[in-house]
Amino acid sequence: IAGITQAPTSQILAAGRRMTLRCTQDMRHNAMYWYRQDLGLGLRLIHYSNTAGTTGKGEVPDGYSVSRANTDDFPLTLASAVPSQTSVYFCASSADSDTGELFFGEGSRLTVL
Amino acid sequence: GQNIDQPTEMTATEGAIVQINCTYQTSGFNGLFWYQQHAGEAPTFLSYNVLDGLEEKGRFSSFLSRSKGYSYLLLKELQMKDSASYLCAVKDSNYQLIWGAGTKLIIKP
Repeated sequence: IAGITQAPTSQILAAGRRMTLRCTQDMRHNAMYWYRQDLGLGLRLIHYSNTAGTTGKGEVPDGYSVSRANTDDFPLTLASAVPSQTSVYFCASSADSDTGELFFGEGSRLTVL
Repeated sequence: GQNIDQPTEMTATEGAIVQINCTYQTSGFNGLFWYQQHAGEAPTFLSYNVLDGLEEKGRFSSFLSRSKGYSYLLLKELQMKDSASYLCAVKDSNYQLIWGAGTKLIIKP
């Protein structure tokens, strides 16, 4: 089934540890995004990639990094996790950066203690 | 700054009609989107408006007035499965999506 796959689904992490959230899509979409969703707040863009080989910073990029080595994969790395990074993380993709219809992965629930 | 406002929570009765409002102030406008998100799940696309007027899609309709910075999502013949959060998002002049915090819709029998 075509779509976006995220891993892990859920993770508890000690503060200071490094963590990579994986995201893979098989729709050959050019644009990919990482959002975090916190209670009472709208989805906030962390990083995005308009096409393979390029990335950009979103609204809340500090403490996170991404790479886009190919079309399908867009991992998000927390170099040294902090409790404020406890959140639900959604990876999404769209056919291109001008298209508003996003397809979301099922989310990764991360708890930093 | 950029801002999307929508009610935090609404309650409606099964079989009834409900209107969820969204007002926005953004730097530029390149379309308004509505997404549905069931608890613990990913958002899914519902509708897209870029011109003024009403877009109808089955039981769901979405309206846009660009001059007023206003949109609404209209849900008819409510079903229990419509209990979810409804997210309003606007694409700004940089083609970045700005998201509202979402409206949690509770459907009662």
